[in-house]
Amino acid sequence: SQKIEQNSEALNIQEGKTATLTCNYTNYSPAYLQWYRQDPGRGPVFLLLIRENEKEKRKERLKVTFDTTLKQSLFHITASQPADSATYLCALYSGNTGKLIFGQGTTLQVKP
Amino acid sequence: GAGVSQSPRYKVAKRGQDVALRCDPISGHVSLFWYQQALGQGPEFLTYFQNEAQLDKSGLPSDRFFAERPEGSVSTLKIQRTQQEDSAVYLCASTLTGGGRRGNTIYFGEGSWLTVV
Repeated sequence: SQKIEQNSEALNIQEGKTATLTCNYTNYSPAYLQWYRQDPGRGPVFLLLIRENEKEKRKERLKVTFDTTLKQSLFHITASQPADSATYLCALYSGNTGKLIFGQGTTLQVKP
Repeated sequence: GAGVSQSPRYKVAKRGQDVALRCDPISGHVSLFWYQQALGQGPEFLTYFQNEAQLDKSGLPSDRFFAERPEGSVSTLKIQRTQQEDSAVYLCASTLTGGGRRGNTIYFGEGSWLTVV
């Protein structure tokens, strides 16, 4: 069956360090993958999209990699700040009707 | 409006009661999605509309769940005879066209928090 897996344990890091979050998937051949941020009590907010023919994508302090051989995406936040504390979700398009399927999310806590 | 608007923001329903959750997508957005999110979990797909056509309802958990978008803009998710396991956040999202398949940014509302007691 199709699965998207993210680190279920919360990630705690010190301010200024790089946070790395992992998204693994099975039985998908996605054309691209998306990352979202979700704050408590809020809806998810789109951050980045990476296509299957792109190895890496950057936006300010964010970097996403996409390895279709390993079926894995890594999401990095460099020079992390307490304001980066949130849950981060990866999502893949599935099927012909354009629906996004989400992982369970990884909660990041950046300590000052 | 500027973003996806959902109402009510919070709803407490007694078990067995019917509820209706409303979604106002971003003006001009063709595609509309409903997701259910339990505490500590990622959003789970429920159903997808393109304009007024419901193209995918494979995620609706039972025939107590019904969604409509009669004029291709506002959508309503209705849950009949609510049960405790229906307690969750119901998220609505919209995108310009083509849904996730075209890689378009999908915009989410803040969600409707349903608690069934």
